[in-house]
Amino acid sequence: DIVMTQSPDSLAVSLGERATINCKSSQSLLNSSNNKNYLAWYQQKLGQPPRLLIYWASARESGVPDRFSGSGSGTDFTLTISSLQAEDVAVYFCQQYETSHTFGQGTKLEIK
Amino acid sequence: QVQLQESGPGLVKPSETLSLICTVSGASISTYYWSWVRQSPGQRLEWIGYISYSGFTKYSSSLKSRVTISGDTSKNQVSLRLTSVTAADTGLYYCARSRGDTWFDFWGQGTLVTVSS
Repeated sequence: DIVMTQSPDSLAVSLGERATINCKSSQSLLNSSNNKNYLAWYQQKLGQPPRLLIYWASARESGVPDRFSGSGSGTDFTLTISSLQAEDVAVYFCQQYETSHTFGQGTKLEIK
Repeated sequence: QVQLQESGPGLVKPSETLSLICTVSGASISTYYWSWVRQSPGQRLEWIGYISYSGFTKYSSSLKSRVTISGDTSKNQVSLRLTSVTAADTGLYYCARSRGDTWFDFWGQGTLVTVSS
């Protein structure tokens, strides 16, 4: 199975500042046939199910604010929140769908 | 708007079978893929398996021997059966939709299952 490892486990950022969460896969998620990276990002607020933010590593889901962006390729990926808002406090997960489905352990984002 | 609602017993005894139902509204289970995903008390998410619009099923390699996912198009429901449960199967069980063997764009609120005698 592909193992997904996120860093850091927790993060505290000031309002208006940039937040960066990393995700590393044990195998490449880049499919050479379509040049797409099989990676998604989710946000999970307390007591709620995960919410899809990003797919294909960098495509933003409809309705997601443009302060959320995804980048990376192969085995290393990043979720960036350009200007942290209070409502962004949550746990963030990456998910690979290149081979079956596995998730990272989650990164807890808090306000500093 | 697509809505998914999980239901089933909140308490299951060790060695018994866990059975859950996901009732879908706003979309037909004869379209898209429908997965079960669980979340342990420590918050790790684990994909269990899916059933496709055509009835094809795929399961996690670690749970394959114990899992069955089925669909009832007349009721627009997807079901999960997990046999021989242990305390390690305790968690929040979600039903989720995907457009293929890809990401999950709609999730239910989840149902908590505790395995205990």
